[in-house]
Amino acid sequence: GDSVTQMEGPVTLSEEAFLTINCTYTATGYPSLFWYVQYPGEGLQLLLKATKADDKGSNKGFEATYRKETTSFHLEKGSVQVSDSAVYFCALSDRVGGFKTIFGAGTRLFVKA
Amino acid sequence: DAGVIQSPRHEVTEMGQEVTLRCKPISGHNSLFWYRQTMMRGLELLIYFNNNVPIDDSGMPEDRFSAKMPNASFSTLKIQPSEPRDSAVYFCASSLGQPDSPLHFGNGTRLTVT
Repeated sequence: GDSVTQMEGPVTLSEEAFLTINCTYTATGYPSLFWYVQYPGEGLQLLLKATKADDKGSNKGFEATYRKETTSFHLEKGSVQVSDSAVYFCALSDRVGGFKTIFGAGTRLFVKA
Repeated sequence: DAGVIQSPRHEVTEMGQEVTLRCKPISGHNSLFWYRQTMMRGLELLIYFNNNVPIDDSGMPEDRFSAKMPNASFSTLKIQPSEPRDSAVYFCASSLGQPDSPLHFGNGTRLTVT
């Protein structure tokens, strides 16, 4: 079945450091890919998405590119802030999988001032 | 739009009691999902509905769990009887039901079963 694998956390960075969180996937069909972010005490919220190969999703300085050849969707940000501290989830949604969204295990990010 | 609304935010109950969690999806969304989040197992999909019809309940852990969606604006997740291992945060999410449609999550119900 479909699955998402992302790097284990926690990831601890200093403010203004470069961030990469790796994500790879397996899917039966041609999925749409997502990154969600979860702040303490809240539900997940969409950060960015990409729906086809070589698409780049971006939002709030975060970017991720849909790489079909490597089945990857790595999240990057050039300069993190303390307010970026949260848990980040990579996810896919596949028509073949019946539209249900499959999530990775989540990666906790701590940014120090 | 108020977003996905879940109630209650917190529920503390004793083992053996019935628990009912409630969800109001975003108006116009035709897909609704129930997830459970724990430290050990992460985010698990329990069941999802499309146009009020249950499509996949393979994630429901056992017969003690049941979910209904009597209309497009309301869903419940019931646990009867509850057990301590059911303690978790339960999220409801809704979407427009297309593969590229993102999920919109509620703020969750934190369930503690003692």
